[in-house]
Amino acid sequence: KQEVTQIPAALSVPEGENLVLNCSFTDSAIYNLQWFRQDPGKGLTSLLLIQSSQREQTSGRLNASLDKSSGRSTLYIAASQPGDSATYLCAVIPQGGSEKLVFGKGTKLTVNP
Amino acid sequence: EAGVVQSPRYKIIEKKQPVAFWCNPISGHNTLYWYRQNLGQGPELLIRYENEEAVDDSQLPKDRFSAERLKGVDSTLKIQPAELGDSAVYLCASSLGRRRQGIYEQYFGPGTRLTVT
Repeated sequence: KQEVTQIPAALSVPEGENLVLNCSFTDSAIYNLQWFRQDPGKGLTSLLLIQSSQREQTSGRLNASLDKSSGRSTLYIAASQPGDSATYLCAVIPQGGSEKLVFGKGTKLTVNP
Repeated sequence: EAGVVQSPRYKIIEKKQPVAFWCNPISGHNTLYWYRQNLGQGPELLIRYENEEAVDDSQLPKDRFSAERLKGVDSTLKIQPAELGDSAVYLCASSLGRRRQGIYEQYFGPGTRLTVT
């Protein structure tokens, strides 16, 4: 059974700092890995999707990497801003399954001005 | 392009009462998902539709939950009767289902926050 773990559970940084969020998964047989952002009381916003054949994806100040063999992904946020404060969720779609996303519990990020 | 639409956004009911949630997916998305998110947890799949067909409902508590997707577009998720443990956020997502390209990107709606008292 695929399990996704995110470390740390919470992170507080000063504005302007570069930071890394970590995600690990137990089974390397995946189709995709997707990073989401969730603001309090809101739904999920897709940030980046990495296909299993890819190593990384970039969007603006965000860069996500995927090492499928070791079951790890990182989300790098450059020059953090208070508006980046949210919960970041990592999810994978296991191969051979129901195409459902298997999520971690998320990392709650607070960027202090 | 309009995103996934859900209603209501919030619902408070007493236990044993029925409740229904509605979802309108992104136009042209043939795959629709219902997830439940408990406080402090990641979402978990309840049911997945391919057009009108429920292809994975293994996590749906069928004694009290039901869902339908008429005409392969809008979907409704119902709980009857609701229990205290059903308090959660119910999220709808849709996907274009580009499996041949190895892409399964899912787009989520704002969710319905259910409180059962």
